[in-house]
Amino acid sequence: QKEVEQNSGPLSVPEGAIASLNCTYSDRGSQSFFWYRQYSGKSPELIMFIYSNGDKEDGRFTAQLNKASQYVSLLIRDSQPSDSATYLCAVTKNRDDKIIFGKGTRLHILP
Amino acid sequence: EAQVTQNPRYLITVTGKKLTVTCSQNMNHEYMSWYRQDPGLGLRQIYYSMNVEVTDKGDVPEGYKVSRKEKRNFPLILESPSPNQTSLYFCASSFGTADQPQHFGDGTRLSIL
Repeated sequence: QKEVEQNSGPLSVPEGAIASLNCTYSDRGSQSFFWYRQYSGKSPELIMFIYSNGDKEDGRFTAQLNKASQYVSLLIRDSQPSDSATYLCAVTKNRDDKIIFGKGTRLHILP
Repeated sequence: EAQVTQNPRYLITVTGKKLTVTCSQNMNHEYMSWYRQDPGLGLRQIYYSMNVEVTDKGDVPEGYKVSRKEKRNFPLILESPSPNQTSLYFCASSFGTADQPQHFGDGTRLSIL
């Protein structure tokens, strides 16, 4: 079983709509969850992080965590063409542990 | 400017010729790590370090070495590179521990012929 799974996409969303990206993880003891955005040829950059069950909002972005169901999602409201990128989900179990990334979901915002 | 600096950015070399990719951060971060990124395989952690003289294996450590003699530097060493180590490599650092956001360098594209 893969440790962190994401749909590879591409996920195509019209401009102005809500993009919903999902990530599931296998280790029930996972504690910290991150979303990174990576443009083609560039390095990943942090979008959101979440530690507790529920929603966390930052501008147009909302991270949702459900530890019972072992998934974390990222919602992007009012999607813009500049949001077109690959979104990486990352999970850690302990503070002094390794970090596991999903393979990423390619998001394409249609103008 | 807060940054993670990797060198070189691009390198083409031959099988068996030892090489080192340097990584330096100016944010006084404790946690540093190396990743490789391959098409279809995503970003995979090679090694990480919690602090000076403390290193540990990630998911794909075979064929790599690291050292952490100073807090700011975390070089990646390929003692005898092979073609299957051709990849895009990223160094990253974070304040404190693994459960903090990672700051990534610009990447090193390595080709082993």
